[in-house]
Amino acid sequence: DQQVKQNSPSLSVQEGRISILNCDYTNSMFDYFLWYKKYPAEGPTFLISISSIKDKNEDGRFTVFLNKSAKHLSLHIVPSQPGDSAVYFCAASSLSNFGNEKLTFGTGTRLTIIP
Amino acid sequence: DVKVTQSSRYLVKRTGEKVFLECVQDMDHENMFWYRQDPGLGLRLIYFSYDVKMKEKGDIPEGYSVSREKKERFSLILESASTNQTSMYLCASSINEQFFGPGTRLTVL
Repeated sequence: DQQVKQNSPSLSVQEGRISILNCDYTNSMFDYFLWYKKYPAEGPTFLISISSIKDKNEDGRFTVFLNKSAKHLSLHIVPSQPGDSAVYFCAASSLSNFGNEKLTFGTGTRLTIIP
Repeated sequence: DVKVTQSSRYLVKRTGEKVFLECVQDMDHENMFWYRQDPGLGLRLIYFSYDVKMKEKGDIPEGYSVSREKKERFSLILESASTNQTSMYLCASSINEQFFGPGTRLTVL
């Protein structure tokens, strides 16, 4: 039972354009969401997060949008750069688990930025 | 600078061997986690620990055990390695977001 889904296994975007990565979740108890970025042969690194009290969080070129009614979040990267080529994982947690921070991860989307 | 280290980057073992994967963090974090990453399946939680000598099963604990004798160290044990345990193993520790080690690519022949 995949509670966090990333339905696009891969995405190719031209350098300078916007990259939009999508994530859906099914568990209504999730109220904290994170995006991680992973390069080959490295561990994932934290990118950006959002709690359910907000619908948008921005950090430089990265913006995460949350639509609670649709149980959907998206990561926007603009402008896309070659160094953004990586696998992106969406993750979700329940703040009631705070202290354990157990995360449920999606299956990942491989983003390729075309120069 | 935060640091999570894993004892090996690459490991090759034979079926039936006992395998130890070590993880050390220097951030004084309470929580530590072991995941495996497989293509098309994302990161799946094997075990986690929120305190010394405490452990909790994750989503796929079968065939694994863990040990947390000291706060900074969390070990994953494959009691009798099998070929379906060939995978990338990732350790993480957390205070809010999780910080990951570089991973150990384990191949079981």
